[in-house]
Amino acid sequence: NAGVTQTPKFQVLKTGQSMTLQCAQDMNHNSMYWYRQDPGMGLRLIYYSASEGTTDKGEVPNGYNVSRLNKREFSLRLESAAPSQTSVYFCASSEGARDNQPQHFGDGTRLSIL
Amino acid sequence: SQKIEQNSEALNIQEGKTATLTCNYTNYSPAYLQWYRQDPGRGPVFLLLIRENEKEKRKERLKVTFDTTLKQSLFHITASQPADSATYLCAPSGGGGNKLTFGTGTQLKVEL
Repeated sequence: NAGVTQTPKFQVLKTGQSMTLQCAQDMNHNSMYWYRQDPGMGLRLIYYSASEGTTDKGEVPNGYNVSRLNKREFSLRLESAAPSQTSVYFCASSEGARDNQPQHFGDGTRLSIL
Repeated sequence: SQKIEQNSEALNIQEGKTATLTCNYTNYSPAYLQWYRQDPGRGPVFLLLIRENEKEKRKERLKVTFDTTLKQSLFHITASQPADSATYLCAPSGGGGNKLTFGTGTQLKVEL
């Protein structure tokens, strides 16, 4: 099994461009998450989807939108990229939204905004 | 606001010794605490979860403790090996929705 797959792995954008980061999981998980990881700040939750058809804001949602396309796929969109959004983005999934559920992560998308 | 602190300095130990990593939290009363391992260029990988009513949890060479009075979790790796070299992240949870708040991680280097 592939687990959680993120595409692309690397991307360079110019300020103001838009982009969608893709995430798919093959574990039949109900809940999915988007995090960003910056040096010295740890992983921060951007948006999450507790179940298919629902999405909610996390700690740092400004400048992002998400779509839970179906149970497998959860995409993150940057409508007008800004240099402050340069980061490594991780998608994760868990069986459910109970607080004792381990999360399974993809290997990230490294995004640079010039 | 919630604050999670892990040793920012790298921890260097010799092979075969026990590594102990610390996770302290403030303004927070998590019901669970998870530990993850992250290798360079990879996503975090789940290792262990401990509940607030559990004092200790073990898995092979790994041991985690959870002291809700001290607001601290300790993560131990016994008989450490060079392959254990990685960054270890702690993540308390319990606010609903399985939303994790991660510490910045501690980098462990196990030397021969």
